[in-house]
Amino acid sequence: QAVVTQEPSLTVSPGGTVTLTCGSSTGAVTSGLFPYWFQQKPGQAPRTLIYDISKKHSWAPARFSGSLLGGKAALTLSGAQPEDEAEYYCALYYSGVGVFGGGTKLTVL
Amino acid sequence: EVQVVESGGGLEQPGGSLRLSCAGSGFTFSNYAMSWARQAPGKGLEWVSAITASGDTTYYADSMKGRFTISRDSSENTVYLQLNSLRVEDTALYYCVKGGWGTPVDIWGQGTMVTVSS
Repeated sequence: QAVVTQEPSLTVSPGGTVTLTCGSSTGAVTSGLFPYWFQQKPGQAPRTLIYDISKKHSWAPARFSGSLLGGKAALTLSGAQPEDEAEYYCALYYSGVGVFGGGTKLTVL
Repeated sequence: EVQVVESGGGLEQPGGSLRLSCAGSGFTFSNYAMSWARQAPGKGLEWVSAITASGDTTYYADSMKGRFTISRDSSENTVYLQLNSLRVEDTALYYCVKGGWGTPVDIWGQGTMVTVSS
């Protein structure tokens, strides 16, 4: 089974910009892996933010955007807010089988 | 309101079985793939299984293949996850998720806790 990698932790200043990445052990991340991004706050269920690289669900704040960057999937947060402090998980699909990354703990400080 | 609600979790001994259920409402259940994910206490998310909208294709994480079985009853708007040969390491909060292969993942349930212990 493939391994999906994420930065363990990142820190961003309020109002700042940060990019989280999601890599695949099988090579470059492409649209065929249907990259997803999820946000999870302590004690809460995860929430889907981004699917298919860059498509946003209606509840995802406009300051979040998804892309492919340097062979990885990327989640960019522009104008970080204190409420964005959370764990962020990416997921890739390998012919129907999903694999989550280990998560990135994002601190807004 | 679109929602999915899990049930069926509990305490089971190693080697035992449990059947989790997930009831969907607020959407046309038969049009959507459905998935399960889990999260062990203090750990990250782990994808478990998915079933297509038609129910004719199922997918499993390697570590669960052969022990877990996903199924659906679209007449009851319910997806099931049968957990057999349970291990201590299967202890986790099991989430039902609307969507999967072929339909975008969007809504998550609040989860049902499975504890495997002697």
